[in-house]
Amino acid sequence: AQSVAQPEDQVNVAEGNPLTVKCTYSVSGNPYLFWYVQYPNRGLQFLLKYITGDNLVKGSYGFEAEFNKSQTSFHLKKPSALVSDSALYFCAVRDSLEDMRFGAGTRLTVKP
Amino acid sequence: DSGVTQTPKHLITATGQRVTLRCSPRSGDLSVYWYQQSLDQGLQFLIQYYNGEERAKGNILERFSAQQFPDLHSELNLSSLELGDSALYFCASSVGGGQGYYEQYFGPGTRLTVT
Repeated sequence: AQSVAQPEDQVNVAEGNPLTVKCTYSVSGNPYLFWYVQYPNRGLQFLLKYITGDNLVKGSYGFEAEFNKSQTSFHLKKPSALVSDSALYFCAVRDSLEDMRFGAGTRLTVKP
Repeated sequence: DSGVTQTPKHLITATGQRVTLRCSPRSGDLSVYWYQQSLDQGLQFLIQYYNGEERAKGNILERFSAQQFPDLHSELNLSSLELGDSALYFCASSVGGGQGYYEQYFGPGTRLTVT
């Protein structure tokens, strides 16, 4: 069975500093990995995904994520955080046979 | 705007009642997914339809049912409602069905309150 973990409920960073939101996963086959962001009272928005190929994936709004197969991780990163990046971030994993499984979410707060 | 629409935005009803939530996928998307988001359970996958056929089932209660119509819109029916069914219900759509690498696009959600 597949699973995904986001070990931090909350991440706080100062504006202009780099940010990292962590995600680890477990799947039986090759993983398809996704990051979504949810702003208050809105649906989830797709940020980026990893299917195969380069371990560094670039997505929307300057976000990127690094796939690390040996550590089974897919951490979300951004070089310079903005106050407007404050939101709830979800990591999700899927293999070819199973449903998409979402992590519990990490609330990112960027302080001015 | 993801292109996925959901109605209604808010729904308040009493225990024991039945409600229907509606979703229209993005143009060209064949798959529709339903999710429940609550504070204690997080985001839970309920069910997926692909081109009118049930494709996958998650943690969907027997009191809940869904269908996808020939025009690809979908409805989620919730019956014998309980207080614990109060949650945000999201619909999402994607181009593909069986392949796992298609991203899903989410609607704005329907907030259901059961009193």
